[in-house]
Amino acid sequence: QSALTQPASVSGSPGQSITISCTGTSSDVGAYNYVSWYQQHPGKAPKLMIYDVSNRPSGVSNRFSGSKSGNTASLTISGLQAEDEADYYCSSYTTSSTLEVFGTGTKVTVL
Amino acid sequence: EVQLVESGGGLVKPGGSLRLSCAASGFTFSNAWMTWVRQAPGKGLEWVGRIKSKADGGTADYAAPVKGRFTISRDDSKNTLYLQMNSLKTEDTAVYYCTNQFDPWGQGTLVTVSS
Repeated sequence: QSALTQPASVSGSPGQSITISCTGTSSDVGAYNYVSWYQQHPGKAPKLMIYDVSNRPSGVSNRFSGSKSGNTASLTISGLQAEDEADYYCSSYTTSSTLEVFGTGTKVTVL
Repeated sequence: EVQLVESGGGLVKPGGSLRLSCAASGFTFSNAWMTWVRQAPGKGLEWVGRIKSKADGGTADYAAPVKGRFTISRDDSKNTLYLQMNSLKTEDTAVYYCTNQFDPWGQGTLVTVSS
């Protein structure tokens, strides 16, 4: 089971919006509405930001939003803030025996 | 407050064994499907495996790289999740996280496999 494909890095200025893509296949992203997104600051545990494609857990800022089209999911961060600088990972349920596959990760830099 | 605390990591030689624990609190552990995820140094996240609640069968599923070497178990009386790791390889070196359906995550415990 190959990892989902994300851009290695994305950057933006404070206040701007950025979008991170997560490309899979018809066996994972395209097959289920079970795509999640995680934020990870250096040396810290991942934090769930989006689940089931577009749902935000309680306490997560509404500046974070998710969507999906075909085999590609996306995370948009609007009103970019310095604290958003972190690594972001997507994940999806998959039909393979490895039930969950993660993305390759994207480093977000706030300029 | 929901809390997950991993322990048991350390340095082990290739071919050796280690058992990780994850102590849970703040939620009904017996109802939870629990997952282990690992992250090699400087690398991305990798799903290791998952165990269902006993009410849902209590069975575990594993990622291909660890199947046959790792075993996930649970003790609901102690609110504790376990990961028994045998025949360890250098490529198993990683921080191991436990999580309740990916929210929240524990702080992780480092496993280093090296001679």
